[in-house]
Amino acid sequence: KQEVTQIPAALSVPEGENLVLNCSFTDSAIYNLQWFRQDPGKGLTSLLLIQSSQREQTSGRLNASLDKSSGRSTLYIAASQPGDSATYLCAPSGNTPLVFGKGTRLSVIA
Amino acid sequence: SAVISQKPSRDICQRGTSLTIQCQVDSQVTMMFWYRQQPGQSLTLIATANQGSEATYESGFVIDKFPISRPNLTFSTLTVSNMSPEDSSIYLCSVTDRGNYEQYFGPGTRLTVT
Repeated sequence: KQEVTQIPAALSVPEGENLVLNCSFTDSAIYNLQWFRQDPGKGLTSLLLIQSSQREQTSGRLNASLDKSSGRSTLYIAASQPGDSATYLCAPSGNTPLVFGKGTRLSVIA
Repeated sequence: SAVISQKPSRDICQRGTSLTIQCQVDSQVTMMFWYRQQPGQSLTLIATANQGSEATYESGFVIDKFPISRPNLTFSTLTVSNMSPEDSSIYLCSVTDRGNYEQYFGPGTRLTVT
């Protein structure tokens, strides 16, 4: 059974800092891995999708990497802004639908 | 990408009653998923809803408590039956893009049971 761990659970940084969110998963037999953003009380917004054959994906200030063999993914956020404050969730997908970690709650202070 | 809408966006319900949540997608999709997110927790898959067949429920979730309908390829409903305060959660509908398997989520339904 796939288990997902995200570290840190919470993070507070001043505006402008670069930061890294970590995700690890136990079953490396995945098709892809997605990173999502969730604002309080809201649904999930897909940020990046990394296929199992890829090592990284970039979208604007976001860069996600995937090391499938070691069961790890990282989300790098450059030049953080207060609008980046949200919970970030990673979710690998295999033969079953997405399995979620508990997320990293990010607060960017102006 | 898929655009997903859910109704209602939120509701406050009495213990013992039932609530039906609707999920509408702007394109035809094979599989739709229903998730629950309890306060302060991550998402847990309730069931997978395929058109033309019965939903497949995850461990810990049963059809009598969470009946699901999937009448066509763009619509599904989830009913939360005989509600208790423990059912207070955000319920999310999700679909998968057949091309790249990217998964998209609706805005969620915030349910409070008193």
